[in-house]
Amino acid sequence: GDSVTQMEGPVTLSEEAFLTINCTYTATGYPSLFWYVQYPGEGLQLLLKATKADDKGSNKGFEATYRKETTSFHLEKGSVQVSDSAVYFCALTGSQGNLIFGKGTKLSVKP
Amino acid sequence: SQTIHQWPATLVQPVGSPLSLECTVEGTSNPNLYWYRQAAGRGLQLLFYSVGIGQISSEVPQNLSASRPQDRQFILSSKKLLLSDSGFYLCAWGDSQNQPQHFGDGTRLSIL
Repeated sequence: GDSVTQMEGPVTLSEEAFLTINCTYTATGYPSLFWYVQYPGEGLQLLLKATKADDKGSNKGFEATYRKETTSFHLEKGSVQVSDSAVYFCALTGSQGNLIFGKGTKLSVKP
Repeated sequence: SQTIHQWPATLVQPVGSPLSLECTVEGTSNPNLYWYRQAAGRGLQLLFYSVGIGQISSEVPQNLSASRPQDRQFILSSKKLLLSDSGFYLCAWGDSQNQPQHFGDGTRLSIL
């Protein structure tokens, strides 16, 4: 069945460092891909999305490109801030319209 | 604009007690509704989804149930809670497949 694999955390970076969180997927058909962010004690917020191959989603300095050839949707940010500390989830749309999530990657940014 | 409300925010219940978590959506009609559970270190697991009033699909066998008595109301229930039911429960709604889902703030459930 469809699945999402994202890099294990936690990831600890210094402020202004470059961030990459890897995400690969297995899916039949052509799902939409998403990155969600969960700040401590809160629900999930949509960070960015891409609905077809080669689409680039971007928001708040984060970017991810839908790569069909490598079945990947890696999240990147050029310069992280302490406020970016959160858990990041990669997800794709399943056959029932639900979301299939990766296990999440916890990011901690130190000042 | 659309909003989603989920309550309570936190709940502490003894083993064997009943459960009722409520989720309501405003500002949209006939949404798809979802219940997810986030257990420690395990990511998010889809529990139930609903495409309309009275229509519930279950993804995993468990002692939980869901109901949708009204178009924008989704309820998660249990007659007898188990220790393994502890976790963070998230309600979400979506317009259609391949579109983002929008999440409530979650309910943190602790079973003693």
